[in-house]
Amino acid sequence: DAKTTQPPSMDCAEGRAANLPCNHSTISGNEYVYWYRQIHSQGPQYIIHGLKNNETNEMASLIITEDRKSSTLILPHATLRDTAVYYCIVREVWSGAGSYQLTFGKGTKLSVIP
Amino acid sequence: DTEVTQTPKHLVMGMTNKKSLKCEQHMGHRAMYWYKQKAKKPPELMFVYSYEKLSINESVPSRFSPECPNSSLLNLHLHALQPEDSALYLCASSQGNQPQHFGDGTRLSIL
Repeated sequence: DAKTTQPPSMDCAEGRAANLPCNHSTISGNEYVYWYRQIHSQGPQYIIHGLKNNETNEMASLIITEDRKSSTLILPHATLRDTAVYYCIVREVWSGAGSYQLTFGKGTKLSVIP
Repeated sequence: DTEVTQTPKHLVMGMTNKKSLKCEQHMGHRAMYWYKQKAKKPPELMFVYSYEKLSINESVPSRFSPECPNSSLLNLHLHALQPEDSALYLCASSQGNQPQHFGDGTRLSIL
């Protein structure tokens, strides 16, 4: 079972920041928070991940609470092309094995509105 | 543009047919994955290959048969599928601790 809880849907006005919340209250110290998104008719696309600290890249920012039980993905200036299902995933820190598992939850369908 | 290429993009087959899905990556990734995604549902892991060896089979029925002939190629052989097997089949690859890269999938319809 997925270890995360997300709202099923959200709307965001074009040009505004989109803030997508995720609860992962049972996260352990050796688990990352990962975010992927899936635009209609495409495969999931990696966005960002973090362990303890906040992270930023060219696509988004990830804010993780101090107790690590929740996080927020921020798209600073949402465009129509950001309309997608956003998945928050908890994943074990790599053990050195050749592969690792991702367990997708139901995600949040973000609709960016003109 | 995706760096994981899946063919065909669409496939329609009868329940008695045999077909194969193909996945290819040239990023040097040594882990490759098959996922199944039903409409309006999240992807679900089916198989994991690590260094060309099957490491995880998530209790997938034997009518799905994976194969990893080399480090760049992953196949999924299909035989005697059921209508409920209609879905989007996604392939992904990864190297070490890096994020998994996904292809755009093969949309499979079983008549």
